[in-house]
Amino acid sequence: AQTVTQSQPEMSVQEAETVTLSCTYDTSENNYYLFWYKQPPSRQMILVIRQEAYKQQNATENRFSVNFQKAAKSFSLKISDSQLGDTAMYFCALGGGSEKLVFGKGTKLTVNP
Amino acid sequence: NAGVTQTPKFRILKIGQSMTLQCTQDMNHNYMYWYRQDPGMGLKLIYYSVGAGITDKGEVPNGYNVSRSTTEDFPLRLELAAPSQTSVYFCASKGAGGSYNEQFFGPGTRLTVL
Repeated sequence: AQTVTQSQPEMSVQEAETVTLSCTYDTSENNYYLFWYKQPPSRQMILVIRQEAYKQQNATENRFSVNFQKAAKSFSLKISDSQLGDTAMYFCALGGGSEKLVFGKGTKLTVNP
Repeated sequence: NAGVTQTPKFRILKIGQSMTLQCTQDMNHNYMYWYRQDPGMGLKLIYYSVGAGITDKGEVPNGYNVSRSTTEDFPLRLELAAPSQTSVYFCASKGAGGSYNEQFFGPGTRLTVL
């Protein structure tokens, strides 16, 4: 079975600073994919960034980047230059050959002015 | 292009009542999903479909039914509503091409069973 663990229920950061959200996972598949989704107070789920497990290079999308450690089964999200609009729940998700996603419980991030 | 739409946005049910949550996507996606999100929890998969006429159970299917008669629509039926089904329900869709493809989510339906 695939599992995703987010060990930080809540985090906070000052505006313009950098924050890292942690995620660990477990899977027996060789080909899999990892995602970070953002859920702001509006409740809409928004894809932030994704990573293919066979790619060694860490994915980057503007201020968002990941630190993918395959051997450690770790997939952390780094947000640089945090903005008030980054305040949201962040979910780590794992996908594989079944076309389904398994989600972690989420980390509530608050960006303080 | 509306993406994934869900109706209703909010609903209160009495124990034992039934209802259907509607989900429609206009992206011609093959894959569609129903999730529930309980407070403080991530999303759990209820049912999913890989195409019209094909559905399968997810992690928490008990108390729910689905059908997929068209590519666009994937309704979720609650029979004999129970307080344990109080949750936020999300529908999502994804195009073909593998798990790397993004799942697009609807805005959610907040359901309360009293």
